Amino acid sequence: QVQLQQWGAGLLKPSETLSLTCAVYGGSFSGYYWTWIRQPPGKGLEWIGDINPSGRTNYNPSLKSRVTISADTSKNQISLTLNSMTAADTAVYYCARSVGDDYTWDYWGQGTLVTVSS
Amino acid sequence: QSVVTQPPSASGTPGQRVTISCSGSSSNIGSNAVNWYQQLPGTAPKVLIYGDNQRPSGVPERFSGSKSGTSASLAISGLQSEDEADYYCATWSDSLNGPVFGGGTTLTVL
Repeated sequence: QVQLQQWGAGLLKPSETLSLTCAVYGGSFSGYYWTWIRQPPGKGLEWIGDINPSGRTNYNPSLKSRVTISADTSKNQISLTLNSMTAADTAVYYCARSVGDDYTWDYWGQGTLVTVSS
Repeated sequence: QSVVTQPPSASGTPGQRVTISCSGSSSNIGSNAVNWYQQLPGTAPKVLIYGDNQRPSGVPERFSGSKSGTSASLAISGLQSEDEADYYCATWSDSLNGPVFGGGTTLTVL
């Protein structure tokens, strides 16, 4: 049974950097696309970006200047870094897996609520 | 404001058939497949439909998807109380060079 487990700081101050990790258990890591998606409280879903099996990344243009997604294949983990956080970045952040770049995410992490407040 | 539009709410009574629409343009829905996700309160989304009308293993047959031109629809027949959730369409945006979501539809079972 594939499980994605996320962790990272849940409370940040404005201008700080978000750092989240997503570990994959019970399944293969290679050969999949790994995506980060976020959801502000009470609002809809937003694609942040993804990393493909070759390590190539693709980011939402609205976040591209602040975001980095990386993968550690030795640990079966992916990471999200988002710089210069503001209150508008307050959201639940999810990691998710897809077979291709077809936005068919079959496994999701549990979600991490990240709040940006002074 | 998403480039893909869904009605904010929908409702139906148990046993009824309801449809949720997803409207876009030639640069997203019109040229790419549509997926549908169900999000129960406090949980991560779950894929219901992929490739416009394909159901993953385990998704009941009463969930179906269709697409015509730049619009797609999710139909739920034999509505049940446990279907009360938020529903999101997702597709590829050629202009974004990435996936986009509709704004989401909250389904209420009366």
